[in-house]
Amino acid sequence: SQQGEEDPQALSIQEGENATMNCSYKTSINNLQWYRQNSGRGLVHLILIRSNEREKHSGRLRVTLDTSKKSSSLLITASRAADTASYFCATDGRPTPGGSYIPTFGRGTSLIVHP
Amino acid sequence: DTAVSQTPKYLVTQMGNDKSIKCEQNLGHDTMYWYKQDSKKFLKIMFSYNNKELIINETVPNRFSPKSPDKAHLNLHINSLELGDSAVYFCASSLGVGDGGELFFGEGSRLTVL
Repeated sequence: SQQGEEDPQALSIQEGENATMNCSYKTSINNLQWYRQNSGRGLVHLILIRSNEREKHSGRLRVTLDTSKKSSSLLITASRAADTASYFCATDGRPTPGGSYIPTFGRGTSLIVHP
Repeated sequence: DTAVSQTPKYLVTQMGNDKSIKCEQNLGHDTMYWYKQDSKKFLKIMFSYNNKELIINETVPNRFSPKSPDKAHLNLHINSLELGDSAVYFCASSLGVGDGGELFFGEGSRLTVL
């Protein structure tokens, strides 16, 4: 099974700047998801992008998907201190006996936004 | 109301002991999961159940035994705890299995084995 690999592992920026995180994967996917994890908390779903989509927006979030490069990026515009968290991508991973896929995660990008 | 709830939030125990973590979801989802997050934040799938039936067992040692009494509950029992079992364990649920849909996570259960 494959997993997404997030890059960079850590990112430190000032409030107001944009933050860009990348995710690369190895085999073809049906969809890719981005999640956020605040320190000591569970993961929260941010956005899902399907393999036939190239870009999606949600508020200050912009996700792109380039299936030819097997990569996705998450852009957070005008970052705030409250955006400080770890961000994970999840790809189609472990196949089930029925042929569907269990989402598979990497180790995330740790984002720190300084006020 | 918490959608996916896990108990306990913290567990500190000695090597060799047996412990359980409970998980309940009130979302009406068919599929539930256990993930393990290590100290480097790597999140790895352990088990997945769909309508009380095990569909994924990701080469987890036999010391780990999940149980799903009904589709709203998925508990994790760990026998003979080892130091390497120290991690944060997350329960999650989704509407269906492998439909690419959103996972809903609990807040995690931090297990420390001394």
